[in-house]
Amino acid sequence: AQKVTQAQTEISVVEKEDVTLDCVYETRDTTYYLFWYKQPPSGELVFLIRRNSFDEQNEISGRYSWNFQKSTSSFNFTITASQVVDSAVYFCALSGYSGGSNYKLTFGKGTLLTVNP
Amino acid sequence: NAGVTQTPKFRVLKTGQSMTLLCAQDMNHEYMYWYRQDPGMGLRLIHYSVGEGTTAKGEVPDGYNVSRLKKQNFLLGLESAAPSQTSVYFCASDFTGRGNSPLHFGNGTRLTVT
Repeated sequence: AQKVTQAQTEISVVEKEDVTLDCVYETRDTTYYLFWYKQPPSGELVFLIRRNSFDEQNEISGRYSWNFQKSTSSFNFTITASQVVDSAVYFCALSGYSGGSNYKLTFGKGTLLTVNP
Repeated sequence: NAGVTQTPKFRVLKTGQSMTLLCAQDMNHEYMYWYRQDPGMGLRLIHYSVGEGTTAKGEVPDGYNVSRLKKQNFLLGLESAAPSQTSVYFCASDFTGRGNSPLHFGNGTRLTVT
């Protein structure tokens, strides 16, 4: 069975602070994919990033960066110089093989980030 | 380019009533999914389809039925709504179904069952 844990239920920061959202996963698969999605107050789900299990390179996209460490089964997400528009629920998700030709996508419970002006 | 469209956006039902949620995608995706989102629970898979005419159970299928008569449409039905089905429902689609591509989500349907 696969599992995604986002231990931080809610985080509140002041604008311009850096913030890291934690994601720890469990899987027995050797090939799997990790995702981060953003859900702003308007409610839609927005894809942010995908990582496969063979690519441990960290990635930076503007103020966003992701740290993937297989040794600790973590895929953490850092926002640098946070802005009010970053306020959202962030979901980490894991996609692993579930048999046949199917993959199963498991979501964490999400972290509510509030960035205060 | 509409992507994934869900209708309706909001609905209030009384216990025991039935309804159908419609999901339509225009990306020619084979794989489609229905999720529900509840506070503190993340997203949980209700049913999914790997192609036209196919459906399969997900993590929380009880109380729901689905149909995929056309490739572009995936319907979620509640035959006898219960207050426990109060939730936000998301439809999603995926081209490969092999877990390596992100899901394309609709904007959600907020359902309240009283």
